[in-house]
Amino acid sequence: QKEVEQDPGPLSVPEGAIVSLNCTYSNSAFQYFMWYRQYSRKGPELLMYTYSSGNKEDGRFTAQVDKSSKYISLFIRDSQPSDSATYLCAMSRMNTGFQKLVFGTGTRLLVSP
Amino acid sequence: EAGVTQFPSHSVIEKGQTVTLRCDPISGHDNLYWYRRVMGKEIKFLLHFVKESKQDESGMPNNRFLAERTGGTYSTLKVQPAELEDSGVYFCASSQVEVAQYFGPGTRLTVT
Repeated sequence: QKEVEQDPGPLSVPEGAIVSLNCTYSNSAFQYFMWYRQYSRKGPELLMYTYSSGNKEDGRFTAQVDKSSKYISLFIRDSQPSDSATYLCAMSRMNTGFQKLVFGTGTRLLVSP
Repeated sequence: EAGVTQFPSHSVIEKGQTVTLRCDPISGHDNLYWYRRVMGKEIKFLLHFVKESKQDESGMPNNRFLAERTGGTYSTLKVQPAELEDSGVYFCASSQVEVAQYFGPGTRLTVT
């Protein structure tokens, strides 16, 4: 069983829609939760990260963590065609010696004009 | 501020040959990480340097892979001899504080 599960998609939405991207995980030791965006043939770009449970907002993006359910989400409001990319969730224990990121497989998002 | 750079962007080698990948982290970042994505799989951790020291190399697949970080600056990842299953995209990331890891564009390695 993978430590992090993520639906690969693709997820197709019209421009302006609210997008919900999700990951589940099995390791309760994870404390930091990240979302990366990756365009084709590029490296992952850090969008935002949260610590433990709760919400974090940055512009059109909102990240939510529910540690009790081992479930994290990324919401994108007013989606744009430029948001079309693969979105990767990643998480870490972030203790000394355990700073490695564990990734989901990524969800491909397509926003049509 | 320049981001993480990797060289080459793409390498095609034959099975049994040697390849060396290079990563230049963001200036001032003490933490440097190598990750790999093989076809259809998730990105997986290989190892972590703090300055020139290996902090965690639990993800290195076998002893055909050798990573070094000279003087705590750039890092190289050597694969010798390369096997078909080593094909994939190799990413380097760096961070100043541990949480925010910034990734390079990756090196696409094809072993034929």
